[in-house]
Amino acid sequence: DAEITQSPRHKITETGRQVTLACHQTWNHNNMFWYRQDLGHGLRLIHYSYGVQDTNKGEVSDGYSVSRSNTEDLPLTLESAASSQTSVYFCASSTDLGKTSTDTQYFGPGTRLTVL
Amino acid sequence: AQSVTQPDIHITVSEGASLELRCNYSYGATPYLFWYVQSPGQGLQLLLKYFSGDTLVQGIKGFEAEFKRSQSSFNLRKPSVHWSDAAEYFCAVAPPLIYTDKLIFGTGTRLQVFP
Repeated sequence: DAEITQSPRHKITETGRQVTLACHQTWNHNNMFWYRQDLGHGLRLIHYSYGVQDTNKGEVSDGYSVSRSNTEDLPLTLESAASSQTSVYFCASSTDLGKTSTDTQYFGPGTRLTVL
Repeated sequence: AQSVTQPDIHITVSEGASLELRCNYSYGATPYLFWYVQSPGQGLQLLLKYFSGDTLVQGIKGFEAEFKRSQSSFNLRKPSVHWSDAAEYFCAVAPPLIYTDKLIFGTGTRLQVFP
């Protein structure tokens, strides 16, 4: 079965370190997204990609970067981790649109990141 | 600005009771509407979605939602709650434009079910 996986599931790091969270999907979806989930804020979009070599900033992109070298993967990098980036991170993917209706996003299980 | 509001942060119901979770949106046009459920430690799972047509939408696990344009609402309902429904529920919207798939989420409603 197609799926979307994230690794690691839990990560503890120190302030100032570079951290990369992996996201891998086998749906062959063109669109991929990264969200962070914080109490009182729901899910907020960090970055997204509509295809290979395409990346876009979301609502809360400062301090984060992504790259899309193939269809299956969209790694999220925290350039210099800060305590404010302690959160649960979700990756999602969806089919290509180009129509007047939309499919939906399929979510990974999440990565809990703690920055000390 | 475009927004999604879930007025109830936390709801507690007894098993077997009916449930209604509220969702209101602010948009220039009718967006696409979604309800997701998140069980503890899990990712989000789609319950149902509305694009157009019949305003009463049936979803998985016995849930349904009704789109009311006049109230800018998309409330989620279930006639009889089961203990396994305890989870966090998110309403989300997507702007009704082609070539876009960005979801905007509400802040969520946590459902607690008592036996």
